[in-house]
Amino acid sequence: DAKTTQPPSMDCAEGRAANLPCNHSTISGNEYVYWYRQIHSQGPQYIIHGLKNNETNEMASLIITEDRKSSTLILPHATLRDTAVYYCIVSSGGSNYKLTFGKGTLLTVNP
Amino acid sequence: SAVISQKPSRDICQRGTSLTIQCQVDSQVTMMFWYRQQPGQSLTLIATANQGSEATYESGFVIDKFPISRPNLTFSTLTVSNMSPEDSSIYLCSTRAEDTKGGQYFGPGTRLLVL
Repeated sequence: DAKTTQPPSMDCAEGRAANLPCNHSTISGNEYVYWYRQIHSQGPQYIIHGLKNNETNEMASLIITEDRKSSTLILPHATLRDTAVYYCIVSSGGSNYKLTFGKGTLLTVNP
Repeated sequence: SAVISQKPSRDICQRGTSLTIQCQVDSQVTMMFWYRQQPGQSLTLIATANQGSEATYESGFVIDKFPISRPNLTFSTLTVSNMSPEDSSIYLCSTRAEDTKGGQYFGPGTRLLVL
């Protein structure tokens, strides 16, 4: 599976949009981009995934560049409860369905 | 999405003892996974458990230390054997998420402290 690079930390003001970048320049054609978050002392929570088209759900939007070498997770109106470590993972979702977690980005939403 | 529960939620154990962690899913699932998260670190996959077959362990993890059972499609256990303080971690189970093209849903984790 392709490796991802994320900034170690980011800050965001409450009510503003949080834009979390992820670089995955070695992604291959059959690999999906997944985003998870882990709020302190809880299990990781699935947020969204995409292949090449932009995706939106009730939690967030995922913007994938045309060359698929990077993506951005957007939380449109961040709240204090969105403070968490956000993980960007690239995986083919193949028969082994393994997910390799990197260090992620610690997003701190400030009042 | 699947609802996953784990027991115990936390425990404090003495070195040399063993602890069995249970993972229960509210629906039948083909694949279950066990992860370890050491203090301040990210998640590391221990093994993949399919019902009716032996678990597949990742590099650095062995069956004698982390035996896994998968007796049916909704349940699995992970045993941490002959524990040492280095085994102090959060242990998480997860299931394949059929609606996410290869993603997973996670349980709340079991926080283990070994003295």
